[in-house]
Amino acid sequence: AQKVTQAQTEISVVEKEDVTLDCVYETRDTTYYLFWYKQPPSGELVFLIRRNSFDEQNEISGRYSWNFQKSTSSFNFTITASQVVDSAVYFCALLGGSYIPTFGRGTSLIVHP
Amino acid sequence: DAGVIQSPRHEVTEMGQEVTLRCKPISGHDYLFWYRQTMMRGLELLIYFNNNVPIDDSGMPEDRFSAKMPNASFSTLKIQPSEPRDSAVYFCASSLGTDQETQYFGPGTRLLVL
Repeated sequence: AQKVTQAQTEISVVEKEDVTLDCVYETRDTTYYLFWYKQPPSGELVFLIRRNSFDEQNEISGRYSWNFQKSTSSFNFTITASQVVDSAVYFCALLGGSYIPTFGRGTSLIVHP
Repeated sequence: DAGVIQSPRHEVTEMGQEVTLRCKPISGHDYLFWYRQTMMRGLELLIYFNNNVPIDDSGMPEDRFSAKMPNASFSTLKIQPSEPRDSAVYFCASSLGTDQETQYFGPGTRLLVL
């Protein structure tokens, strides 16, 4: 069985602070994919990143960075110098061999001006 | 290129009525997924299609729900009869066979059953 845990239900920060969203996963598959999606207040789900289980390189895209560590089964997401527009619910997801994804419950990020 | 298109964006109906949600996947994508999002259960996969064929419908809650994909550019999710507990946001997503793991989501349909 697959499981994705986003222990932080809600995070509140002030603009320009750095914030890290945690994601811990469980799977028995040796090949799997991890994702982050953003759901802004408008409601759509926006794809942010995909990593496969064989690629543990961290990735940076502008103010966003992701830290994938197989040893701790974690795929954490950091936003540097947060902005109000970053306010959204962020979902971590896991896709294994069954091609049926498992989503975490999401972390609501509120960035105050 | 247009993203996944869903209609209607909002639907309010009365208990017992039939509801039909529509989805147009990204052109060329051969996987299509229907999800339901609620506060209680989060994001749940209902059913997915590959090349218009339903592959896994184990997430469909009950016989009141049915989904079809008559061609590569159109899918429907029907609820008949609808119940208040069906109120949720329904998302459609699609992915490309050669990159099937990345799903691109539509804007969702907010359904309220009174």
